[in-house]
Amino acid sequence: SQKIEQNSEALNIQEGKTATLTCNYTNYSPAYLQWYRQDPGRGPVFLLLIRENEKEKRKERLKVTFDTTLKQSLFHITASQPADSATYLCALAPYSSASKIIFGSGTRLSIRP
Amino acid sequence: ETGVTQTPRHLVMGMTNKKSLKCEQHLGHNAMYWYKQSAKKPLELMFVYSLEERVENNSVPSRFSPECPNSSHLFLHLHTLQPEDSALYLCASSQDIGDNEQFFGPGTRLTVL
Repeated sequence: SQKIEQNSEALNIQEGKTATLTCNYTNYSPAYLQWYRQDPGRGPVFLLLIRENEKEKRKERLKVTFDTTLKQSLFHITASQPADSATYLCALAPYSSASKIIFGSGTRLSIRP
Repeated sequence: ETGVTQTPRHLVMGMTNKKSLKCEQHLGHNAMYWYKQSAKKPLELMFVYSLEERVENNSVPSRFSPECPNSSHLFLHLHTLQPEDSALYLCASSQDIGDNEQFFGPGTRLTVL
């Protein structure tokens, strides 16, 4: 069956370090993959989108990689800050149905000062 | 703040009530979405509209009835809900369906007694 897994339910790291979050998928051929941030009681906020033919995308302190062989995306936050603490969601849509977006369950990231 | 508003923000209803959730986007987008977010579960896509036509209906029970009267407004009509329908209901919009970032509203926290 089709599945998206975000490997860590929670991740706790020291301020200033790089946070790395993982999103694995099975039985999909995704056209693209997105990462969102969600704070408690709020809707998700879009961060980055990476397409199937792209290996890496960057935006300020954020970097996303997409390995279609490993069926995996990695999301990095460099020089992490306490304000980066939130839940991070990955989402993908298959080629077969670009509107059928599926979200992972999220990783709750905590950055301690 | 995101250009997508949802009302009400909180709703408590009995199983025999009929209520409606409203979503409005001020971004000129062509696609709108309803999602359900339950505790400890991934965001679940419920319905997708593109140019006021429904393009996805993810096996959602008929007690949830969407309506998209124009490209700026989306409703979710609720009737004879069950306690397990209690969740955060999120509306989102995007320029078009496909590889476009989604802008989420703040959500409606629904409690079914």
